[in-house]
Amino acid sequence: QAQLLQSGAEVKKPGASVKVSCKTSGDPVTGYFFHWMRQAPGRGLEWMAWLNPNTGGTTYAKKFEGRVTVTRDTSTNTLFLEISSLTSDDTAMYYCAGVDFWSASDDWGQGTLVTVSS
Amino acid sequence: DIVMTQSPDSLTVSLGERATINCKSSQSLFFSSNNRDYLAWYQQKPGQPPKLLISWASTRKSGVPDRFTASGSGTDFTLTISGLQAEDVAVYYCQQYYTTPTFGQGTKLEI
Repeated sequence: QAQLLQSGAEVKKPGASVKVSCKTSGDPVTGYFFHWMRQAPGRGLEWMAWLNPNTGGTTYAKKFEGRVTVTRDTSTNTLFLEISSLTSDDTAMYYCAGVDFWSASDDWGQGTLVTVSS
Repeated sequence: DIVMTQSPDSLTVSLGERATINCKSSQSLFFSSNNRDYLAWYQQKPGQPPKLLISWASTRKSGVPDRFTASGSGTDFTLTISGLQAEDVAVYYCQQYYTTPTFGQGTKLEI
């Protein structure tokens, strides 16, 4: 099992950027891909991106390509999600998760609330 | 993008009864090379992150009660919860991972 600890809540103005972190510890399941998903208040889940920890490769939902960047710092086992050109539509709870569909395993961060308001 | 559509949007079921949630994809999620459907089900309780229940359309995650069963292939899938318990109140989501993942809109299950 892995533990995923996300950074704290953020309040940003429209047009700004935000960088959310997700520190992993413990023993991630071999085969985990690390996903970022978000959930606007009262809304459903929206998948944003994933990172393959074996290759460092990333894949983004078309909607977020060019505006969202997922990176990692292997020295601290930390993942990052950076979103630029924020609008009020980006107000949401952001989740990181390690998921391995082959073994039906998952671990989740606690979520980071990002509020975009002028 | 593959569009996932769940039905119903909400569902009220009595304790001990059965709940059935449907999920339809805009294209087949079946990959013939490995004979698998790239479909997962998640449960999200209020104020909590989601949790994976099922992957590959019907493979239950370890520790998930066997009252949760899932079936289907291609474009039509079903999650069934038998013997409903109070702790099953949640929103349930299907997700395809055949291509870049997408979720259904969710089904709110109440008692």
